[in-house]
Amino acid sequence: QVQLVESGGGVVQPGRSLRLSCAASGFSFSGYGMHWVRQAPGKGLEWVAGIARYGESEYYADSVKGRFTISRDNSRDTVNLQMNSLRAEDTALYYCARDLWSSSSGWFDPWGQGTLVIVS
Amino acid sequence: EIVLTQSPATLSLSPGERATLSCRASQSVSTSLAWYQHKPGQAPRLLIYDASNRATGIPARFSGSGSGTDFTLTISSLEPDDFAVYYCQQRSNWPLLTFGGGTKVEI
Repeated sequence: QVQLVESGGGVVQPGRSLRLSCAASGFSFSGYGMHWVRQAPGKGLEWVAGIARYGESEYYADSVKGRFTISRDNSRDTVNLQMNSLRAEDTALYYCARDLWSSSSGWFDPWGQGTLVIVS
Repeated sequence: EIVLTQSPATLSLSPGERATLSCRASQSVSTSLAWYQHKPGQAPRLLIYDASNRATGIPARFSGSGSGTDFTLTISSLEPDDFAVYYCQQRSNWPLLTFGGGTKVEI
């Protein structure tokens, strides 16, 4: 059974940093691209960042470029999101999601349950 | 950036009725569009990808259509479990992936 479990969320002051992690199981982790998607309170979904299967490429939304860094450890089946210079507008539930296919499909399936980040 | 506009914002229907949700793109995305279902407290779920392909395990009452700039998600007969928020998402402008604002389907 494919499972994604996020951790690392919490309350952090503006300007500080936080590191999110996503532990994957039930599939060949190194065979898939991975993504982070967030949902601010009362808002819709926003793609944040993605990383290719072996970490050879990283992609970012303009809203986080230069502040957030996505990385992965294929030996531990984890993907991380290092968030620096946090702003109030980064407050959101952060979801980890897998690419639908082993190539970079741009479709997200499945998703984790999310971890909450509050910048205040 | 490709902007996706979903309508209506809220759809009030009863179980057994047909739901028709719209997603319009600010420029052509060909068939590079997906639909997701999101319920409170749960992970979003992929329903449709490439505009019309149902994801694994998705019931046949969910169908997607459209190409270019206009897309439709149809739920042929609403089940109680279908009341949720639905989002469209494009990948045409890879790697800049964007979602629509969502349509809430409520009883």
